Amino acid sequence: QLLLQESGPGLLRPSETLSLTCTVSGGSISSPSFYWGWIRQSPGKGLEWIGSVSYSGTTYYNPSLKSRLSIPMDTSKNLFFLNLTSVTAADTAMYYCARHEPSLDWFDPWGQGTLVTVSS
Amino acid sequence: SYVLTQPPSVSVAPGKTAIITCAGNNVGGKSVHWYRQRPGQAPVLVMYDDTDRPSGIPDRFSGSNSGNTATLTISRVEAGDEADYSCQVWDANTNLRVFGGGTKLTVL
Repeated sequence: QLLLQESGPGLLRPSETLSLTCTVSGGSISSPSFYWGWIRQSPGKGLEWIGSVSYSGTTYYNPSLKSRLSIPMDTSKNLFFLNLTSVTAADTAMYYCARHEPSLDWFDPWGQGTLVTVSS
Repeated sequence: SYVLTQPPSVSVAPGKTAIITCAGNNVGGKSVHWYRQRPGQAPVLVMYDDTDRPSGIPDRFSGSNSGNTATLTISRVEAGDEADYSCQVWDANTNLRVFGGGTKLTVL
């Protein structure tokens, strides 16, 4: 069974860098059939796609976040990451990682999510 | 940018049929996916490519997509179906993965 688990700091100050890790178990992130994505949900709001990384390391970013965003991966440890610089209160959200099927473009399964709060 | 519009809420009595809509410009030309999110839990894929159910999703769930509206239909609604449901597509013009705002399904 494929499982994903997010980890990272829950509280950041404005202007800091958000760094999250997604640990994947039960499957390899090097599989050519899938990408690996990040999605967030601000309090009381809908889901927002942040970006995805392919098995080869090619990245696809939401244009609204692209200038602050990177999604690297460590295939040796079966991990992928989210780095978002210069955070503001608007980046406060539940952050989810998920497997991303690239041909039909769905996300499944998802990690349980990690809450990130940006506050001074 | 491409926008998917869902009704904020839908209410239905147990045993009845719930219909959740997802409206977007020519959404019928795109592949629509649906997610269920129970309170405090992560989203779960319940329908992909308009009409296909992942394993483990009961056949009470069905989908359709035509013109400017995609629909998720839940037959014989149960209390456990109460959740937020969101639709999602890929917009090729912007290479964006777009989600609808979500619909809260309440089982009366």
